[in-house]
Amino acid sequence: DTAVSQTPKYLVTQMGNDKSIKCEQNLGHDTMYWYKQDSKKFLKIMFSYNNKELIINETVPNRFSPKSPDKAHLNLHINSLELGDSAVYFCASSYSAGGSTDTQYFGPGTRLTVL
Amino acid sequence: QQQVKQSPQSLIVQKGGISIINCAYENTAFDYFPWYQQFPGKGPALLIAIRPDVSEKKEGRFTISFNKSAKQFSLHIMDSQPGDSATYFCAASVGGSGYSTLTFGKGTMLLVSP
Repeated sequence: DTAVSQTPKYLVTQMGNDKSIKCEQNLGHDTMYWYKQDSKKFLKIMFSYNNKELIINETVPNRFSPKSPDKAHLNLHINSLELGDSAVYFCASSYSAGGSTDTQYFGPGTRLTVL
Repeated sequence: QQQVKQSPQSLIVQKGGISIINCAYENTAFDYFPWYQQFPGKGPALLIAIRPDVSEKKEGRFTISFNKSAKQFSLHIMDSQPGDSATYFCAASVGGSGYSTLTFGKGTMLLVSP
């Protein structure tokens, strides 16, 4: 059974386009995250939602807009795509008892290529 | 400012050898230190983690050593196997109300040669 799933797995698009990545988790977790992994494999948090409420918003361009329709889903919409947005985007989730020890479970990633 | 520094960037170890990856952190607010393992084309997965009040944690062939005063921690993989070939990330975590924030090191690409 897939715990954290993302669609699509690959996304190739032109500069200036708008695209969305979807994430779903069936773990019953109440906190979800988006991470960006660049070409050097550096992983950086972008956003976090707890019970559909935005709680972490790192210094990400406002072209990126997350949306959480319910606790099990967290989507990422990107407007006016730029070459520098090319990366692998990971969704993650955790059951948040409200501590640093909450294990984050990652999805398989979406490789976004902007041409 | 990179809050978690990881070295080496890449590592080649012979099968049966010991792989050692080192990390250092700056922010004393971090209170949990997990290691994640990532295989090509997959998402990172938790491997092992340690709290700062413990100096060592062992799970099978994987051991974390933690030095709170030096703000350093390391991962040791004993009897390294080709199946251990992956990218390893150290991380440091701080918790808030309803979430945890992970700050990752830059990763170490481990190759275990047969």
